[in-house]
Amino acid sequence: GEDVEQSLFLSVREGDSSVINCTYTDSSSTYLYWYKQEPGAGLQLLTYIFSNMDMKQDQRLTVLLNKKDKHLSLRIADTQTGDSAIYFCAESPLLTGGGNKLTFGTGTQLKVEL
Amino acid sequence: DVKVTQSSRYLVKRTGEKVFLECVQDMDHENMFWYRQDPGLGLRLIYFSYDVKMKEKGDIPEGYSVSREKKERFSLILESASTNQTSMYLCASSPPFTGDYEQYFGPGTRLTVT
Repeated sequence: GEDVEQSLFLSVREGDSSVINCTYTDSSSTYLYWYKQEPGAGLQLLTYIFSNMDMKQDQRLTVLLNKKDKHLSLRIADTQTGDSAIYFCAESPLLTGGGNKLTFGTGTQLKVEL
Repeated sequence: DVKVTQSSRYLVKRTGEKVFLECVQDMDHENMFWYRQDPGLGLRLIYFSYDVKMKEKGDIPEGYSVSREKKERFSLILESASTNQTSMYLCASSPPFTGDYEQYFGPGTRLTVT
């Protein structure tokens, strides 16, 4: 079955760039997502990339996709304390037979220090 | 804005009790999902539904059942709660495929079974 892996923790200083990495196994993935979960809240979609793209930029966020290595990364420029959260990578297979299931990674806890 | 609400933020139940977790969405979405979130394991799909009265098992359905009698409401049922079901439960909904598979999440219910 599909498997999505992330490192569990990342700590950065305020103002630095953060890079959160994700590897996945399903080569038929059509979309790959980054979700953010702030303390005490549900998940919120940050950005996504279609599998035929290599890069997507959205303000401070840059998503890089290496389809050959099945590696996805999220770069946050000028990281702020408000970016402290858990970040989940998720992938969507080509066809799920209904219900558009997503497979989520384990989540990376980002801690931003002053 | 899409709103997904869950009936309780915190719930404490005793072993063996029957537990109902309710989820309501206000955007007329066809698809609804129940996940559990555990540290180091990420989100794991319990059940999902792509239409009223339709349900499909996710990755970890054992010990759970679901009910979808109305389009806006998706209930998760723990027939006989056990301590290993202590977890954060997240509900999500999504429309049919419209170019991506974004899911919209509720704030979560933290269930403790003693």
